[in-house]
Amino acid sequence: GAGVSQSPSNKVTEKGKDVELRCDPISGHTALYWYRQSLGQGLEFLIYFQGNSAPDKSGLPSDRFSAERTGGSVSTLTIQRTQQEDSAVYLCASSTRPGLGETQYFGPGTRLLVL
Amino acid sequence: AQSVTQLGSHVSVSEGALVLLRCNYSSSVPPYLFWYVQYPNQGLQLLLKYTSAATLVKGINGFEAEFKKSETSFHLTKPSAHMSDAAEYFCAVKVDGNNRLAFGKGNQVVVIP
Repeated sequence: GAGVSQSPSNKVTEKGKDVELRCDPISGHTALYWYRQSLGQGLEFLIYFQGNSAPDKSGLPSDRFSAERTGGSVSTLTIQRTQQEDSAVYLCASSTRPGLGETQYFGPGTRLLVL
Repeated sequence: AQSVTQLGSHVSVSEGALVLLRCNYSSSVPPYLFWYVQYPNQGLQLLLKYTSAATLVKGINGFEAEFKKSETSFHLTKPSAHMSDAAEYFCAVKVDGNNRLAFGKGNQVVVIP
């Protein structure tokens, strides 16, 4: 079946612009995660959605970052007023309802470059 | 909170030789541990995971890992390296009370013909 998809695959933007990154999770997966992968910081958790529960936003690095998940499926990560330090690969993952050791399935990522 | 440590960012191994990637964890509760592989310009793919069942876990592509509580380790091994094993490997632990994964810094594996 189809895996996690993300778009765009690459995004180049100018400092100060807003960007939107999209994630389509695996059908039927109720949990969705965003991570950021950068050279300096490695892989960092950003935000987690589970069904209709309030999202866990504890990993968002600043109030310029926000995310939403519509209809329990597609998610959009928005970065406002982008800065050069936002340049990274943004990875989305999904899983079945979280339990004990469930696998997170990752998408191919969006490579963001802020000039 | 739970964390994992991977030492040696770059690992070179000869084709046909043993692959050994080390991962040590820190956790006050029984951990759930994962190894993921990332090929260039791709997302992360699960190699194997430990979820408190058998301590020796077999994964895809001939990889396996052994959970050793006494050593707080979950090292990844493959008896014979193949050129296709060149990739970056990440150890991760599920953070207690949350559903996020905490990742190690990763090991970039280079296979020498």
